[in-house]
Amino acid sequence: KQEVTQIPAALSVPEGENLVLNCSFTDSAIYNLQWFRQDPGKGLTSLLLIQSSQREQTSGRLNASLDKSSGRSTLYIAASQPGDSATYLCAVHNNNDMRFGAGTRLTVKP
Amino acid sequence: IAGITQAPTSQILAAGRRMTLRCTQDMRHNAMYWYRQDLGLGLRLIHYSNTAGTTGKGEVPDGYSVSRANTDDFPLTLASAVPSQTSVYFCASSFVGGELFFGEGSRLTVL
Repeated sequence: KQEVTQIPAALSVPEGENLVLNCSFTDSAIYNLQWFRQDPGKGLTSLLLIQSSQREQTSGRLNASLDKSSGRSTLYIAASQPGDSATYLCAVHNNNDMRFGAGTRLTVKP
Repeated sequence: IAGITQAPTSQILAAGRRMTLRCTQDMRHNAMYWYRQDLGLGLRLIHYSNTAGTTGKGEVPDGYSVSRANTDDFPLTLASAVPSQTSVYFCASSFVGGELFFGEGSRLTVL
Protein backbone atom coordinates (compact mmCIF):
# COMPACT_ATOMS: atom_id res chain seq x y z
CA LYS A 1 0.00 0.00 0.00
CA GLN A 2 1.36 3.37 -1.02
CA GLU A 3 2.15 5.72 1.86
CA VAL A 4 2.68 9.41 1.18
CA THR A 5 4.31 11.69 3.74
CA GLN A 6 4.72 15.44 3.64
CA ILE A 7 7.17 17.36 5.77
CA PRO A 8 6.85 19.82 7.37
CA ALA A 9 3.21 19.79 8.40
CA ALA A 10 3.25 23.57 8.72
CA LEU A 11 5.62 26.28 7.63
CA SER A 12 5.67 30.04 8.21
CA VAL A 13 8.02 32.28 6.24
CA PRO A 14 8.43 36.01 5.59
CA GLU A 15 7.41 37.37 2.22
CA GLY A 16 10.09 37.09 -0.44
CA GLU A 17 11.72 33.96 0.90
CA ASN A 18 12.36 30.93 -1.27
CA LEU A 19 11.07 27.68 0.21
CA VAL A 20 10.92 23.93 -0.36
CA LEU A 21 8.11 21.55 0.48
CA ASN A 22 8.87 17.86 0.70
CA CYS A 23 6.90 14.78 -0.28
CA SER A 24 8.02 11.17 0.11
CA PHE A 25 6.35 7.95 -1.00
CA THR A 26 7.00 4.28 -0.35
CA ASP A 27 6.18 2.60 -3.68
CA SER A 28 8.26 3.86 -6.61
CA ALA A 29 6.05 2.17 -9.26
CA ILE A 30 4.06 5.30 -9.96
CA TYR A 31 2.35 6.71 -13.07
CA ASN A 32 2.74 10.31 -12.00
CA LEU A 33 2.90 12.71 -9.07
CA GLN A 34 0.80 15.82 -8.76
CA TRP A 35 1.04 18.89 -6.52
CA PHE A 36 -2.09 20.77 -5.46
CA ARG A 37 -2.92 23.79 -3.38
CA GLN A 38 -6.04 24.01 -1.26
CA ASP A 39 -7.42 27.20 0.20
CA PRO A 40 -9.64 26.96 3.31
CA GLY A 41 -13.12 25.69 2.47
CA LYS A 42 -12.23 25.19 -1.18
CA GLY A 43 -11.42 22.39 -3.54
CA LEU A 44 -7.96 21.38 -4.71
CA THR A 45 -6.28 23.33 -7.48
CA SER A 46 -3.74 21.50 -9.60
CA LEU A 47 -0.31 23.15 -9.65
CA LEU A 48 2.03 20.73 -11.40
CA LEU A 49 1.91 17.21 -12.76
CA ILE A 50 5.11 15.20 -13.17
CA GLN A 51 4.95 12.02 -15.21
CA SER A 52 7.00 9.07 -13.98
CA SER A 53 9.47 9.52 -16.85
CA GLN A 54 10.11 13.18 -15.99
CA ARG A 55 12.50 14.69 -13.45
CA GLU A 56 10.91 18.11 -13.01
CA GLN A 57 8.21 20.52 -14.08
CA THR A 58 8.09 24.29 -13.84
CA SER A 59 5.23 26.77 -13.80
CA GLY A 60 6.03 30.39 -13.06
CA ARG A 61 7.57 30.61 -9.57
CA LEU A 62 6.94 26.92 -8.92
CA ASN A 63 9.29 24.07 -9.67
CA ALA A 64 8.58 20.46 -8.79
CA SER A 65 11.13 17.68 -8.93
CA LEU A 66 10.73 13.92 -8.86
CA ASP A 67 13.22 11.25 -7.84
CA LYS A 68 11.40 7.94 -8.18
CA SER A 69 14.31 5.81 -7.04
CA SER A 70 14.45 7.53 -3.66
CA GLY A 71 10.68 8.04 -3.45
CA ARG A 72 10.88 11.81 -3.13
CA SER A 73 9.45 14.94 -4.67
CA THR A 74 10.02 18.58 -3.79
CA LEU A 75 8.01 21.68 -4.57
CA TYR A 76 10.15 24.80 -4.74
CA ILE A 77 8.41 28.16 -4.43
CA ALA A 78 10.50 31.18 -5.38
CA ALA A 79 10.01 34.67 -3.96
CA SER A 80 7.02 33.71 -1.83
CA GLN A 81 4.03 36.04 -1.54
CA PRO A 82 1.18 36.29 0.98
CA GLY A 83 -1.15 34.97 -1.73
CA ASP A 84 0.82 31.71 -1.65
CA SER A 85 -0.58 31.00 1.81
CA ALA A 86 -2.54 27.74 1.52
CA THR A 87 -2.22 24.04 2.18
CA TYR A 88 -0.08 22.22 -0.37
CA LEU A 89 -0.74 18.55 -1.05
CA CYS A 90 1.16 16.03 -3.07
CA ALA A 91 -0.55 13.00 -4.57
CA VAL A 92 0.98 9.89 -6.04
CA HIS A 93 -0.81 7.96 -8.77
CA ASN A 94 -0.48 4.19 -8.77
CA ASN A 95 -2.75 1.68 -10.46
CA ASN A 96 -6.33 3.04 -10.23
CA ASP A 97 -5.48 4.92 -7.08
CA MET A 98 -4.12 8.29 -6.14
CA ARG A 99 -2.79 8.58 -2.59
CA PHE A 100 -2.49 11.95 -0.94
CA GLY A 101 -0.16 13.27 1.67
CA ALA A 102 -1.61 15.11 4.66
CA GLY A 103 -0.37 18.41 3.29
CA THR A 104 1.88 21.28 4.36
CA ARG A 105 0.11 24.38 5.63
CA LEU A 106 2.09 27.37 4.37
CA THR A 107 1.78 30.87 5.78
CA VAL A 108 3.63 33.71 4.08
CA LYS A 109 3.78 36.78 6.29
CA PRO A 110 3.83 40.27 4.73
CA ILE B 1 -16.49 27.62 -17.83
CA ALA B 2 -15.27 24.03 -18.16
CA GLY B 3 -14.86 22.03 -15.00
CA ILE B 4 -16.53 19.90 -12.38
CA THR B 5 -19.83 20.80 -10.76
CA GLN B 6 -20.88 19.27 -7.47
CA ALA B 7 -24.26 19.54 -5.76
CA PRO B 8 -25.33 20.24 -3.13
CA THR B 9 -22.54 22.42 -1.74
CA SER B 10 -23.73 21.73 1.78
CA GLN B 11 -26.32 19.46 3.37
CA ILE B 12 -27.46 18.47 6.85
CA LEU B 13 -28.98 15.02 6.94
CA ALA B 14 -30.66 12.85 9.57
CA ALA B 15 -29.07 9.48 10.22
CA GLY B 16 -30.73 6.70 8.28
CA ARG B 17 -31.73 8.91 5.36
CA ARG B 18 -30.68 8.26 1.79
CA MET B 19 -28.56 10.92 0.08
CA THR B 20 -27.12 11.32 -3.40
CA LEU B 21 -24.27 13.71 -4.10
CA ARG B 22 -24.15 14.78 -7.70
CA CYS B 23 -21.08 15.33 -9.85
CA THR B 24 -20.92 16.46 -13.47
CA GLN B 25 -17.87 17.20 -15.59
CA ASP B 26 -17.68 18.74 -19.05
CA MET B 27 -14.06 17.97 -19.89
CA ARG B 28 -14.85 14.59 -21.49
CA HIS B 29 -12.56 12.90 -18.99
CA ASN B 30 -12.91 9.13 -18.98
CA ALA B 31 -11.98 8.68 -15.31
CA MET B 32 -13.93 10.03 -12.35
CA TYR B 33 -13.38 9.71 -8.62
CA TRP B 34 -15.02 10.39 -5.28
CA TYR B 35 -12.90 11.31 -2.26
CA ARG B 36 -13.74 12.24 1.28
CA GLN B 37 -11.59 14.65 3.26
CA ASP B 38 -11.47 14.45 7.03
CA LEU B 39 -9.32 16.37 9.48
CA GLY B 40 -6.33 14.28 10.44
CA LEU B 41 -7.06 11.61 7.84
CA GLY B 42 -6.55 13.58 4.65
CA LEU B 43 -8.14 12.65 1.34
CA ARG B 44 -9.27 9.08 0.89
CA LEU B 45 -10.64 7.46 -2.26
CA ILE B 46 -14.18 6.08 -1.97
CA HIS B 47 -14.97 4.85 -5.49
CA TYR B 48 -13.67 5.45 -8.97
CA SER B 49 -14.68 4.84 -12.57
CA ASN B 50 -12.23 4.54 -15.46
CA THR B 51 -14.91 4.67 -18.13
CA ALA B 52 -18.67 4.86 -18.50
CA GLY B 53 -20.29 1.62 -17.41
CA THR B 54 -17.51 0.54 -15.03
CA THR B 55 -16.78 1.36 -11.40
CA GLY B 56 -14.30 0.24 -8.77
CA LYS B 57 -13.80 0.39 -5.02
CA GLY B 58 -11.28 2.69 -3.42
CA GLU B 59 -9.83 2.75 0.07
CA VAL B 60 -13.09 3.44 1.98
CA PRO B 61 -16.06 2.17 -0.11
CA ASP B 62 -18.32 0.78 2.64
CA GLY B 63 -21.66 2.55 2.95
CA TYR B 64 -21.35 4.20 -0.47
CA SER B 65 -22.36 3.28 -3.98
CA VAL B 66 -21.75 4.88 -7.36
CA SER B 67 -22.94 4.55 -10.93
CA ARG B 68 -21.52 5.75 -14.23
CA ALA B 69 -24.27 5.70 -16.82
CA ASN B 70 -22.49 8.20 -19.08
CA THR B 71 -19.16 10.02 -19.40
CA ASP B 72 -20.22 13.22 -17.66
CA ASP B 73 -22.04 12.14 -14.49
CA PHE B 74 -20.82 10.21 -11.46
CA PRO B 75 -23.30 10.32 -8.54
CA LEU B 76 -22.38 9.08 -5.08
CA THR B 77 -25.16 7.55 -2.97
CA LEU B 78 -25.30 6.99 0.76
CA ALA B 79 -28.06 4.41 1.15
CA SER B 80 -28.53 4.93 4.90
CA ALA B 81 -26.39 7.76 6.26
CA VAL B 82 -24.50 7.41 9.54
CA PRO B 83 -22.74 10.13 11.59
CA SER B 84 -19.29 8.78 10.62
CA GLN B 85 -20.08 9.81 7.05
CA THR B 86 -19.98 13.45 8.10
CA SER B 87 -17.24 14.81 5.87
CA VAL B 88 -16.38 16.96 2.90
CA TYR B 89 -16.80 15.03 -0.33
CA PHE B 90 -14.83 15.86 -3.44
CA CYS B 91 -15.46 14.67 -6.94
CA ALA B 92 -12.53 14.61 -9.36
CA SER B 93 -11.90 13.66 -12.96
CA SER B 94 -9.02 13.03 -15.33
CA PHE B 95 -7.99 11.22 -18.44
CA VAL B 96 -6.72 7.85 -17.21
CA GLY B 97 -3.21 8.44 -15.83
CA GLY B 98 -3.48 12.17 -16.44
CA GLU B 99 -3.86 15.38 -14.45
CA LEU B 100 -6.55 15.25 -11.80
CA PHE B 101 -9.09 18.07 -11.49
CA PHE B 102 -11.36 18.62 -8.49
CA GLY B 103 -14.78 20.08 -7.83
CA GLU B 104 -15.39 22.54 -5.01
CA GLY B 105 -16.71 19.90 -2.64
CA SER B 106 -19.93 18.97 -0.86
CA ARG B 107 -20.01 19.41 2.90
CA LEU B 108 -22.23 16.75 4.46
CA THR B 109 -23.29 16.63 8.11
CA VAL B 110 -25.13 13.56 9.37
CA LEU B 111 -26.88 14.01 12.69
